[in-house]
Amino acid sequence: KAGVTQTPRYLIKTRGQQVTLSCSPISGHRSVSWYQQTPGQGLQFLFEYFSETQRNKGNFPGRFSGRQFSNSRSEMNVSTLELGDSALYLCASSSPDSGGYNEQFFGPGTRLTVL
Amino acid sequence: EDKVVQSPLSLVVHEGDTVTLNCSYEVTNFRSLLWYKQEKKAPTFLFMLTSSGIEKKSGRLSSILDKKELFSILNITATQTGDSAVYLCAVVNYGGSQGNLIFGKGTKLSVKP
Repeated sequence: KAGVTQTPRYLIKTRGQQVTLSCSPISGHRSVSWYQQTPGQGLQFLFEYFSETQRNKGNFPGRFSGRQFSNSRSEMNVSTLELGDSALYLCASSSPDSGGYNEQFFGPGTRLTVL
Repeated sequence: EDKVVQSPLSLVVHEGDTVTLNCSYEVTNFRSLLWYKQEKKAPTFLFMLTSSGIEKKSGRLSSILDKKELFSILNITATQTGDSAVYLCAVVNYGGSQGNLIFGKGTKLSVKP
């Protein structure tokens, strides 16, 4: 079974630009969550999508948005990039059979650098 | 505010030592606690704990949850250099302002030969 895939793996942008990251979950997984990881703040939850609906949201500004498609693939968008948005963005998927306890499987991440 | 606190933040041991990593939490609506291992890539799942006092084991790793005192420990016996990684604790918390999965800052374990 293929794991969670994320594209692109690396990205360099400048301040003010916008970026779209993509995540394909494990086949059969319908929940996709996004996280931001930085050395200072650690792993922080961005949002979770389930069956194309945002089910939960973390404490990030509205510049961070996402969506999920009918095939469970998800995209995350960050508009008006700031230097502080430089981070590793991780996507994780979980199975409906996990009982809602979020046993999640992570993708390799997208390393975003904002110059 | 919901929070998950791990200690120590870093730890250096020698091969063969036994280590205990700690994770304490204060959350609104606790559902379960997860442990992950993160090397130079994405976190990999280790354990999920939902009930107090029931030890979960996988090889040299074991973990237990105390829901009364609000903490969990992860034990690693006979450590090997391949155990060097950041160990993350996360709590599943439905309805909290920080979303459904809150992570601690991690414990960086370095195992020297």
